[in-house]
Amino acid sequence: GQQVMQIPQYQHVQEGEDFTTYCNSSTTLSNIQWYKQRPGGHPVFLIQLVKSGEVKKQKRLTFQFGEAKKNSSLHITATQTTDVGTYFCAAPRGGSEKLVFGKGTKLTVNP
Amino acid sequence: DARVTQTPRHKVTEMGQEVTMRCQPILGHNTVFWYRQTMMQGLELLAYFRNRAPLDDSGMPKDRFSAEMPDATLATLKIQPSEPRDSAVYFCASGLPGTGTGNTEAFFGQGTRLTVV
Repeated sequence: GQQVMQIPQYQHVQEGEDFTTYCNSSTTLSNIQWYKQRPGGHPVFLIQLVKSGEVKKQKRLTFQFGEAKKNSSLHITATQTTDVGTYFCAAPRGGSEKLVFGKGTKLTVNP
Repeated sequence: DARVTQTPRHKVTEMGQEVTMRCQPILGHNTVFWYRQTMMQGLELLAYFRNRAPLDDSGMPKDRFSAEMPDATLATLKIQPSEPRDSAVYFCASGLPGTGTGNTEAFFGQGTRLTVV
């Protein structure tokens, strides 16, 4: 079935460095969502992208949806220790509203 | 503060025992998802309900797992008999129908951490 592949699986950065995680699909996506899960916590919705080429910003976070709607990225500028956690992309499978999640990128930030 | 409530938060049980996990979706949300999270497999979608009707449970092992919504305020996930490989965190999430090409935003509960020994 349709899958969303997410890379990298892990990322270690020094505080202040930038971070990017990528999500790729072999099929066109109607939309894509991003979630953050803190250690020991539950996934929390960050944003949804719907339009081709869409770019959205939330403070230091920048989300992009590719022109072909097959890939997406989340970029964090100047990471802080509060950014620690696992970032997931999620997309509906096969025209339904079933949300399928990528494997996530686990971010650790060294102070 | 509306949130999805899951009980129990932790469950340790012996292999072969029945396990029931409960979820109270956010009032007014008519879409409910059950996910299982493990280190190896990540977040796997087990079942998906709309207006209490199961729309898809293809991700769920049918022989031992069952999911129901007895009413709009309660979703249950049952495992009988449980096995050690079922050890995972089980999340329930609820949401509203998407509009246009948008999807429903999923609000997750805090999860039930299940350990089968």
